[in-house]
Amino acid sequence: DVKVTQSSRYLVKRTGEKVFLECVQDMDHENMFWYRQDPGLGLRLIYFSYDVKMKEKGDIPEGYSVSREKKERFSLILESASTNQTSMYLCASIRLADTDTQYFGPGTRLTVL
Amino acid sequence: GEDVEQSLFLSVREGDSSVINCTYTDSSSTYLYWYKQEPGAGLQLLTYIFSNMDMKQDQRLTVLLNKKDKHLSLRIADTQTGDSAIYVCAEGFAYSGAGSYQLTFGKGTKLSVIP
Repeated sequence: DVKVTQSSRYLVKRTGEKVFLECVQDMDHENMFWYRQDPGLGLRLIYFSYDVKMKEKGDIPEGYSVSREKKERFSLILESASTNQTSMYLCASIRLADTDTQYFGPGTRLTVL
Repeated sequence: GEDVEQSLFLSVREGDSSVINCTYTDSSSTYLYWYKQEPGAGLQLLTYIFSNMDMKQDQRLTVLLNKKDKHLSLRIADTQTGDSAIYVCAEGFAYSGAGSYQLTFGKGTKLSVIP
């Protein structure tokens, strides 16, 4: 079974702190994605990566950056957390030769105080 | 991205059938998906349908695709209280800017099953 894991299920940070959210997949997938999910807004794509060291902005990249140094790991960075970044963050991955599904991690509920 | 629309809420009685509807806009979609999301959890793939199919059945789940109207539906037969969750519709398409395949998601339909 494909497994996508995220470093934390729940995280509480203060305004201005630097926050790292990590995502790891164990199936050699090329594509990895970071979304945030908010009530009434659904999933919105923040960034995605189609290969090591490659990244593309999604629909809402402002205030975020990403890092993909290894194929299995995709990190989301909040350089200076703000209260409007309180949200559920979901990581996902997919292999291009297998476009049946996008596999999701369990999510990280981030609260910024 | 393209829009995927679905109604926000649906209530059904236990044992009845549930039908959750979704409309999408991108005619070049290759696959369409239904995900289930339990409270506080990530999305779990329920089923998917290739865009050149009309119907797919998988135990209690039936997916119907009307490509002309860009309408997708998920029918859950004999709905149980354990089916209470948010159901998210998604369409997949190749992203031309890079070697990537992406999904656009609906906001989700919250299904409540009344015992």
